[in-house]
Amino acid sequence: DQQVKQNSPSLSVQEGRISILNCDYTNSMFDYFLWYKKYPAEGPTFLISISSIKDKNEDGRFTVFLNKSAKHLSLHIVPSQPGDSAVYFCAASGGLDSGGGADGLTFGKGTHLIIQP
Amino acid sequence: NAGVMQNPRHLVRRRGQEARLRCSPMKGHSHVYWYRQLPEEGLKFMVYLQKENIIDESGMPKERFSAEFPKEGPSILRIQQVVRGDSAAYFCASSPGLGANVLTFGAGSRLTVL
Repeated sequence: DQQVKQNSPSLSVQEGRISILNCDYTNSMFDYFLWYKKYPAEGPTFLISISSIKDKNEDGRFTVFLNKSAKHLSLHIVPSQPGDSAVYFCAASGGLDSGGGADGLTFGKGTHLIIQP
Repeated sequence: NAGVMQNPRHLVRRRGQEARLRCSPMKGHSHVYWYRQLPEEGLKFMVYLQKENIIDESGMPKERFSAEFPKEGPSILRIQQVVRGDSAAYFCASSPGLGANVLTFGAGSRLTVL
């Protein structure tokens, strides 16, 4: 049972344009959401996060939006750069019953973002 | 300030052999998590440990898999009698404690079972 869903396996965006990556979740226990970026042969690296008490968090070119009623979050990258090409994982945290261990994370399957020159 | 260190980075085993993967958390971190990534899949939680204590192993297969985090030394994920389906990337992550939310990941150990 996939509690965190990233329905787009891949996304291709032109350099300089906006990249929008989407994530849906089903478990209402989740109260903290994160995006991780992963290059091949490397571990995931933390990118940005948002608490369920907020609906937006911005850090430079990266903005995460949270719509609790729709159980949906999105990551916006603008402007997109070639170095942004990577797999992006959406993750959620929400305590022991959410499947990720206490303070552990439940991950989506990832979206492969390709930035085209 | 070294990050999360995992070794070996690559491990090849034949069916029936044992695999041992090691993880040293970041300095100052006392909580360790193991995740597995199968091909074309996301990261799946396996186990959460503190020193000398398994907190949550709800993601661990019931047989052949075990994990420990001794008082001294790295955390170890042990897979006995490996099968081809165990081939995956195994990632370790650490955090300073409850409420930290953000996990720091190692580079992973890629296990290939022939």
